[in-house]
Parts: sequence; C-alpha cells; structure tokens
Amino acid sequence: SQQGEEDPQALSIQEGENATMNCSYKTSINNLQWYRQNSGRGLVHLILIRSNEREKHSGRLRVTLDTSKKSSSLLITASRAADTASYFCATDKAGGTSYGKLTFGQGTILTVHP
Amino acid sequence: NAGVMQNPRHLVRRRGQEARLRCSPMKGHSHVYWYRQLPEEGLKFMVYLQKENIIDESGMPKERFSAEFPKEGPSILRIQQVVRGDSAAYFCASSPLGQGTYTQYFGPGTRLTVL
Repeated sequence: SQQGEEDPQALSIQEGENATMNCSYKTSINNLQWYRQNSGRGLVHLILIRSNEREKHSGRLRVTLDTSKKSSSLLITASRAADTASYFCATDKAGGTSYGKLTFGQGTILTVHP
Repeated sequence: NAGVMQNPRHLVRRRGQEARLRCSPMKGHSHVYWYRQLPEEGLKFMVYLQKENIIDESGMPKERFSAEFPKEGPSILRIQQVVRGDSAAYFCASSPLGQGTYTQYFGPGTRLTVL
C-alpha cells in the first residue's frame, strides 16, 4: 500500500450525518495535512496536524493523529451537500531530504445527499 | 493577498509539441512545488524549487520534463515532445518556508490534454 492511503475509497451519506475518513501511512512524519478537492478544481487546505499533536479542531472538522499506529482520521460533523468532494491526506516525511514535499493518498470520494 | 496563480487553466497540445505551464506563488512565498494528478488518482510530487534553484527533482521523469523558478517571473514546468500519457492535471503549490512545517497553498491547476 502507498504512503498516505485513505479509507474508505468512497463514502455516501445523508445531509446532517457525520462523515469519517481514515488515512494510514508508513514512515515517520513531520506533519499530516488534509485537503479537499471539488470535482475538476484545485485543492483546498483544510487542516494540518503536527506529529506531536493528537487532535485538532477547525469548525466542523476534527482530525486525530495516532503516530503509534501511523494513522489519522478526519471527521466532518453535521455534513452538508456542499461538503461533497474528494478528500486527501498528505504526509510530510520526517528526516532525510524530504524538504516538505507532500505524499498524497488516493483520496476518499464523499457524497452528501440533500 | 492573491492566491497561487496558474496559467493556462486548460492546455491542449498535439503529440510532439511542447507544453509550458506557469505558476506564480503567493506573495511572500519563495518555495514552489509541482505535483501531477492523473485521472482518478492522488497527487504525485514532481519537483521542489526555490528562486533560481532546483532543490528536489526526484519525482520528475528523466526525460522531456524540466522546471525552473527564475529570479524574476513565475515558475515554469516545461514538457517537451508531449505524449498522450502526459495528459493530467498539473498543480503547483507554494509555501513561505520549505521545511515542512508550513502549509502548502495550491493553485487551481493546469489541465493538459494531449491529442
């Protein structure tokens, strides 16, 4: 499997429900970031969590990071139709000469039905 | 403060032609990253540049692809003699520092179609 792999690949829910997406990675990281991409558009940065942080909130978003399991989760509460998009996690590998380049997973396609 | 700008947004080329993609980072950002996204896939790192320097080009194909970030002007990703497999969305991102502790801000992308 690849660094920064999301699960599930696709998620379909009703408006108002919560959506949880998971990301697993293989190497030690400096930080992990979540991005959203609407169909055919660029990426929008959602949240960054550093390797020494365990949980972070931003509005309706909650991100957790478990470095012992090399995994992260993104929770979107009270989802809206406008949350329909692809969600990617991206890791910045620690050490070496990574120079902050991000490794992206394949993404989770979230569909929120009105 | 304008975001990362990329142009053109859409580019159509015939096989064998050259494609030049431009990226202007956010004001105050001196670090630029280029990524490629194939259909239905995540983004793949290509190259990381600072002004007048290529820092990491480990994700660049060995042939036909080059990148620059001159002292003045935008960063350019150049693809020579394009082939159908080069069809993809190319995104650039910028950050104020390249040590991985700052968010990378992405441009809207250039969608390259090779006929």
